[in-house]
Amino acid sequence: TQLLEQSPQFLSIQEGENLTVYCNSSSVFSSLQWYRQEPGEGPVLLVTVVTGGEVKKLKRLTFQFGDARKDSSLHITAAQTGDTGLYLCAGESSGGSYIPTFGRGTSLIVHP
Amino acid sequence: NAGVTQTPKFQVLKTGQSMTLQCAQDMNHEYMSWYRQDPGMGLRLIHYSVGAGITDQGEVPNGYNVSRSTTEDFPLRLLSAAPSQTSVYFCASRLQARGYGYTFGSGTRLTVV
Repeated sequence: TQLLEQSPQFLSIQEGENLTVYCNSSSVFSSLQWYRQEPGEGPVLLVTVVTGGEVKKLKRLTFQFGDARKDSSLHITAAQTGDTGLYLCAGESSGGSYIPTFGRGTSLIVHP
Repeated sequence: NAGVTQTPKFQVLKTGQSMTLQCAQDMNHEYMSWYRQDPGMGLRLIHYSVGAGITDQGEVPNGYNVSRSTTEDFPLRLLSAAPSQTSVYFCASRLQARGYGYTFGSGTRLTVV
């Protein structure tokens, strides 16, 4: 079973601060997704990255896929209270299985 | 609106009861999955389907059955509810088995007493 380690597990910051969350594995992934989940709702897909070294931006969110496709990061610039939620990464193996592995998530709280 | 619809939103069962969690999607997605989410455990895959008529077990299949008679519907059956099945259940679908992100339903919060 592949493991996706997310760090930090919890993050509590003030509005306007910058932050980075990480998703790491010893396995190589063919693609990796990031999701945000708000309380009482299902996860919502933010982005899919597929190429080593790829950088994608979604407004104030910047996603990077590691060169070796074993890790990824999510950077939020000038966090807002609306960014509060659980951030999940999920990776698909480059091998035979197409079942994605989910990390346990980073719980972010942005205080006004 | 297109998406994944789960019913019911909340359910309380007594130990030993059975029930079916409903899941329907209107996006013509081939791949559908059921996950349970527990504090500190993340999302764990129960069962999945790569198309109508094809299902397979995930990481935690015991106590659950699924079927996929149509592309749109993927119900999850609890055969004899146990307190250990208290959880939040999510149905998810995606266009194909590889390279696409999931669209998740809004979840069913199940409590077994």
